[in-house]
Amino acid sequence: DTGVSQDPRHKITKRGQNVTFRCDPISEHNRLYWYRQTLGQGPEFLTYFQNEAQLEKSRLLSDRFSAERPKGSFSTLEIQRTEQGDSAMYLCASSPWVTGEKLFFGSGTQLSVL
Amino acid sequence: EDQVTQSPEALRLQEGESSSLNCSYTVSGLRGLFWYRQDPGKGPEFLFTLYSAGEEKEKERLKATLTKKESFLHITAPKPEDSATYLCAVQAGSGGSNYKLTFGKGTLLTVNP
Repeated sequence: DTGVSQDPRHKITKRGQNVTFRCDPISEHNRLYWYRQTLGQGPEFLTYFQNEAQLEKSRLLSDRFSAERPKGSFSTLEIQRTEQGDSAMYLCASSPWVTGEKLFFGSGTQLSVL
Repeated sequence: EDQVTQSPEALRLQEGESSSLNCSYTVSGLRGLFWYRQDPGKGPEFLFTLYSAGEEKEKERLKATLTKKESFLHITAPKPEDSATYLCAVQAGSGGSNYKLTFGKGTLLTVNP
């Protein structure tokens, strides 16, 4: 399967713990995105990478969230000191295009904070 | 701020009963309007990109159209396998982010056999 891969698929954690998610994009895609989706809502933009450079981060993203994409390959999203409001599906997407955002999404990581 | 409003929130159809989903948007210079399909427990799957008013695109039983204020996703003679949530998203072409998509809440379509 050469699609976008995300790990883990599900994560249950206690409030205050740190969690890290991984995303492996389609290999030839240089653009990578993180989105967050809660029940009944559309995906909400979190951050964007072009190769290894993080070019944009949502103003809604608190300082507890950090993302990296070392060497322009896989990406990680870390949430520190999780809160119940962080419970959501975290979606990763990649794209090869310079313009026109046809995104290829992974199946997401479902985070539950107890 | 870019905004996308989809209606109805949910739509139930009988197999073969054609209908349309609506997506109204406000954006600072539209670069593109996107339709995605999302099945339960999965990420969105790309369907169409529309770039300018008057543009139309088709794929199997789906047809997407675009005006200056809204887009429609027409579903002709739907089948049960068309059941999914359909998401509309816009990308701004001027001011603010040129990278992010702003999504609507989606329309949950159920097609009964």
